[in-house]
Amino acid sequence: DTGVSQDPRHKITKRGQNVTFRCDPISEHNRLYWYRQTLGQGPEFLTYFQNEAQLEKSRLLSDRFSAERPKGSFSTLEIQRTEQGDSAMYLCASSHLLAARHNEQFFGPGTRLTVL
Amino acid sequence: AQTVTQSQPEMSVQEAETVTLSCTYDTSENNYYLFWYKQPPSRQMILVIRQEAYKQQNATENRFSVNFQKAAKSFSLKISDSQLGDTAMYFCAFMKPGNDKIIFGKGTRLHILP
Repeated sequence: DTGVSQDPRHKITKRGQNVTFRCDPISEHNRLYWYRQTLGQGPEFLTYFQNEAQLEKSRLLSDRFSAERPKGSFSTLEIQRTEQGDSAMYLCASSHLLAARHNEQFFGPGTRLTVL
Repeated sequence: AQTVTQSQPEMSVQEAETVTLSCTYDTSENNYYLFWYKQPPSRQMILVIRQEAYKQQNATENRFSVNFQKAAKSFSLKISDSQLGDTAMYFCAFMKPGNDKIIFGKGTRLHILP
């Protein structure tokens, strides 16, 4: 198992463009989380999935953001009409609901988004 | 709403010394989890240590230990015999059972000096 992977690792885009990020969780992990981390801050929760169901969305997740996990495996996070304020590191994490340490989340390396 | 406060933005210590990172939190919950996460430069975040609020005994993981003071809502991390590889951002974090979103503090940047 190679851990949580995210693609791309870096993305530079112009304001107004759409971007999509992908997260592949650890195999068999049924929970998947998205966080956003801006410079000098701790990560902030955006949303999470249990299998393919999106169970909670933060108020940080405006209507320009959408996340999916269509088959309960990988997830995508799309940002439409990007703004400079969207520049951040987007982190993905996964966990297994039935594991002994089920609340331990394993993080991916993140996707760093720069909006020009 | 829960909050996590780390009052030390940055710290530096010499290799082999002991260092303590502070964290306070605010919650009305009685049962919860507390974590310290490490984020090395340009590398992914990893869990250092966790504490269940219902356990009085402080958690330890090799050179890492915590001082959990539930009444004071304090959760400090002690790193003994610090090593160069301990250089990283350290985040204190809170989680309420059944609601798996983690609430992070702003972090403490720790430099271990040779």
